[in-house]
Amino acid sequence: AQSVTQLGSHVSVSEGALVLLRCNYSSSVPPYLFWYVQYPNQGLQLLLKYTSAATLVKGINGFEAEFKKSETSFHLTKPSAHMSDAAEYFCAVSERNDYKLSFGAGTTVTVRA
Amino acid sequence: EPEVTQTPSHQVTQMGQEVILRCVPISNHLYFYWYRQILGQKVEFLVSFYNNEISEKSEIFDDQFSVERPDGSNFTLKIRSTKLEDSAMYFCASSEIEQFFGPGTRLTVL
Repeated sequence: AQSVTQLGSHVSVSEGALVLLRCNYSSSVPPYLFWYVQYPNQGLQLLLKYTSAATLVKGINGFEAEFKKSETSFHLTKPSAHMSDAAEYFCAVSERNDYKLSFGAGTTVTVRA
Repeated sequence: EPEVTQTPSHQVTQMGQEVILRCVPISNHLYFYWYRQILGQKVEFLVSFYNNEISEKSEIFDDQFSVERPDGSNFTLKIRSTKLEDSAMYFCASSEIEQFFGPGTRLTVL
């Protein structure tokens, strides 16, 4: 069985500052890892995914994440926060691309002007 | 760009009533899913559907729940007798490789 832990339910950053959202996973098989973003009153949008190719994955909107097997982590970063990054972010794990997703509890990001 | 659509966006129902939540997946996708998100909680897997049958379901997906692909385009989730604790946001997703999510249906059970 796989699971995901997101450290920090709420992150507040200044506009232009680094965004770092932490995600640790557990999986009995090599995992597929995902980050989704949810804007208010909207569905889940895929930011990026790791599927056993390059360990540093680049996604949309300037986000990237690095898969570290030794640390069982898949932290999400963005060098410079923008006001439009205010949203809820979910890390998710699955056994393969077309398999059910197990989500973390989510991290709400607020961006201060 | 193709997208998953869901109707209605908001459904209010009385406890004990049946509800049907509708989803139109992306047309060439083969795998379909329902997830739910209770307010303030994580997104939870309910059921996956492939080749016209359930491929996996969670403990949440008890006998009160059923899924159907009635006409080759729609994918529905039925809750036979709703309970207060069924109040949540229900997301449909479909995949060929990666999962694409619909905007969700907010179900409120009174």
